[in-house]
Amino acid sequence: KNQVEQSPQSLIILEGKNCTLQCNYTVSPFSNLRWYKQDTGRGPVSLTIMTFSENTKSNGRYTATLDADTKQSSLHITASQLSDSASYICVIYGGATNKLIFGTGTLLAVQP
Amino acid sequence: GAVVSQHPSRVICKSGTSVKIECRSLDFQATTMFWYRQFPKKSLMLMATSNEGSKATYEQGVEKDKFLINHASLTLSTLTVTSAHPEDSSFYICSARDFGSGANVLTFGAGSRLTVL
Repeated sequence: KNQVEQSPQSLIILEGKNCTLQCNYTVSPFSNLRWYKQDTGRGPVSLTIMTFSENTKSNGRYTATLDADTKQSSLHITASQLSDSASYICVIYGGATNKLIFGTGTLLAVQP
Repeated sequence: GAVVSQHPSRVICKSGTSVKIECRSLDFQATTMFWYRQFPKKSLMLMATSNEGSKATYEQGVEKDKFLINHASLTLSTLTVTSAHPEDSSFYICSARDFGSGANVLTFGAGSRLTVL
């Protein structure tokens, strides 16, 4: 079982709509949680980084939340644009070996 | 911001040949770089940690003689896939951390897609 589970696996929304992506993790100990955007055939690009004590962090139309008690995080995308179509990856930095542990990602398609 | 450049972005080679992929930190020095492999619709999987001036640290199950890593300078790490076979076809991504930025951000390269015929 993955230590970082993301849902949904894929999502299709219409341009202009909002959406929320989920990330549940079991990694312990926990240093920080990151959300990355990965366009097809490209490397991931950092959206947000949150430490244990942070509950929410925004980056433009992207807002990430973190509940360290329930080990859940979400990424909310507001007023989606066609360019938001990508894979969104939740990454935990931590674990016994203090490394990045990647979720499998949510593939988002924004349609006109 | 920190930029990591990977080259080539795409490479096609014949089975049995070796392929070298370069990862450069363009505007910062990186004592440590990381190499990942990603199969379609799968997570990035860490292959090895590249340390400047010393041997790379490989993850369990990664053949160090198959995937040669050299980190000869503070801005360049190379991954050489030796005697490539079709099963080595994958998307290879490097990353580096700019400790000087204080932001604890890991910057990824754009990736290199290897196709072995």
